[in-house]
Amino acid sequence: KAGVTQTPRYLIKTRGQQVTLSCSPISGHRSVSWYQQTPGQGLQFLFEYFSETQRNKGNFPGRFSGRQFSNSRSEMNVSTLELGDSALYLCAGLLAGLGNEQFFGPGTRLTVL
Amino acid sequence: AQSVTQPDIHITVSEGASLELRCNYSYGATPYLFWYVQSPGQGLQLLLKYFSGDTLVQGIKGFEAEFKRSQSSFNLRKPSVHWSDAAEYFCAVGAIGGYQKVTFGTGTKLQVIP
Repeated sequence: KAGVTQTPRYLIKTRGQQVTLSCSPISGHRSVSWYQQTPGQGLQFLFEYFSETQRNKGNFPGRFSGRQFSNSRSEMNVSTLELGDSALYLCAGLLAGLGNEQFFGPGTRLTVL
Repeated sequence: AQSVTQPDIHITVSEGASLELRCNYSYGATPYLFWYVQSPGQGLQLLLKYFSGDTLVQGIKGFEAEFKRSQSSFNLRKPSVHWSDAAEYFCAVGAIGGYQKVTFGTGTKLQVIP
């Protein structure tokens, strides 16, 4: 079966712009989580969506937002980009039930200039 | 709040040598525990997980981990390392209950020398 897809894989933006990242989980995985990965902070949880509703949220400013569609695809939006937003953004689909196993996509590498 | 500590930022081992990566967690109840591996430019791949039962867990690629409640540890081991094991390894803890967020450690970067 197909894996988790993230688009685009690479993105370069300038400060003040906004960006939208997309994630398509494995078919049947209704929960999607987003993480920011940086060398200094490691993997940090952004938020989780389930059935089009945000269910959990990490400690990120309101510039970071997301949504989920009825087909479980999810988008993450960052407005008013800052240099510190440069990171690898990973999404993960969750196989619900015993085990909480997450299936990660390859990530979107965002560079803010 | 749950947390994970991986005390070793970087480890170098010789090919064929044994490996142990340390992980300590903090959680108020019995947690879900995971080890993931990330190769350069890639997402995370699950190596193994523990949530109940036998405290010695076998995973993919010849890895195993042992859950020790008394020490709040979940160390990853491999008896003989291969050059292809060079990657970054993340320990993670999640709450039992189905849908809670997972907290990751800061990772241990493994270098394998010939």
